[in-house]
Amino acid sequence: SQQGEEDPQALSIQEGENATMNCSYKTSINNLQWYRQNSGRGLVHLILIRSNEREKHSGRLRVTLDTSKKSSSLLITASRAADTASYFCATYAYSGAGSYQLTFGKGTKLSVIP
Amino acid sequence: EPEVTQTPSHQVTQMGQEVILRCVPISNHLYFYWYRQILGQKVEFLVSFYNNEISEKSEIFDDQFSVERPDGSNFTLKIRSTKLEDSAMYFCASPYRDIYGYTFGSGTRLTVV
Repeated sequence: SQQGEEDPQALSIQEGENATMNCSYKTSINNLQWYRQNSGRGLVHLILIRSNEREKHSGRLRVTLDTSKKSSSLLITASRAADTASYFCATYAYSGAGSYQLTFGKGTKLSVIP
Repeated sequence: EPEVTQTPSHQVTQMGQEVILRCVPISNHLYFYWYRQILGQKVEFLVSFYNNEISEKSEIFDDQFSVERPDGSNFTLKIRSTKLEDSAMYFCASPYRDIYGYTFGSGTRLTVV
């Protein structure tokens, strides 16, 4: 299975603090992506990191990828109440059935307390 | 930024009834996807659709499910005889960013009673 598995399952922090979420997966990937989901809403693509990249930044987001450990982390710096949401990692990999597939983990529910 | 549009946003149906969920994906893309998310659980792949044919489907996507592109722009997911366990959010997606990043619609919340 290509499943990404995030930890922690839930994270509660104070506004202004940094939030770190981790993701582990099982097999080789083409890239790894992070998505955000506000309660009851759709998934919003945040950032993509390719298998040959180790770190990527986008605004207050920093993603790392360690393919030797099959793990990734998402860091949100200087968190805001509006960052409260669920965050999912998703691995993009060859599915073995002739195509590539995006496979999601269970997500981390982030609560940022004002 | 291009959007993926899904309708309806919420549908309530009786068990055993047929439902059709609609999606307007990003134009000029040949790949489309359906995913579902049972409340509080992970987002699960259902089916990918390429060039007007099913490219790949998961084991969830059994004979009760079908996908079509009836008019070249809309993209539908049909559940022929709904079961209680079909209650979930259903998301349509098109690849967009970096080709591999997907743009998801806002989803259809299906409630089977």
